[in-house]
Amino acid sequence: SQELEQSPQSLIVQEGKNLTINCTSSKTLYGLYWYKQKYGEGLIFLMMLQKGGEEKSHEKITAKLDEKKQQSSLHITASQPSHAGIYLCGAHGWGGAQKLVFGQGTRLTINP
Amino acid sequence: DAGITQSPRYKITETGRQVTLMCHQTWSHSYMFWYRQDLGHGLRLIYYSAAADITDKGEVPDGYVVSRSKTENFPLTLESATRSQTSVYFCASYKAMNTEAFFGQGTRLTVV
Repeated sequence: SQELEQSPQSLIVQEGKNLTINCTSSKTLYGLYWYKQKYGEGLIFLMMLQKGGEEKSHEKITAKLDEKKQQSSLHITASQPSHAGIYLCGAHGWGGAQKLVFGQGTRLTINP
Repeated sequence: DAGITQSPRYKITETGRQVTLMCHQTWSHSYMFWYRQDLGHGLRLIYYSAAADITDKGEVPDGYVVSRSKTENFPLTLESATRSQTSVYFCASYKAMNTEAFFGQGTRLTVV
């Protein structure tokens, strides 16, 4: 989707290192989703953020939605091989609120 | 079994043929979606539906047709398949906005 920009598009990190993935919109986000996809498989829900400044954590993954609700970051602490995969942010569309659109994804590789 | 299932999981078809991908969910979720996933593009929304008999176009609807006569089913038809429609297709559903969206396992379609 042109409406959601993820950065970086790909990321290679050493096992044990921290990393951050960003998701940016030019418009206010009404609900921001983070999903993870292992190569060749379906999508796994990580978390959803709604309120400006909201932060949620699941195991070693933390996601935050900024106060303006136009940017979200996903932070992984002490990365492990199990974190490898494609991370996708999604949000409800602006032209029709019901639709759910996604960014282009960030491909994360963890080197041992 | 409860969940969202896609069929077939793999399909090879010839250019010009009509092919239908099936999606079935057991939760009676109102909203259902079809996406295609191609390298470098993340998930792109093809069509979505807010309820039975209500469908709308997404980002890349050309060459696809959908119907939703029953809440639990949302088939996607390629009326005359082209090589550019070779992709992995995902179906998803959710109960309401800002609730978790559940994804099927995907259908890998190859058009030769």
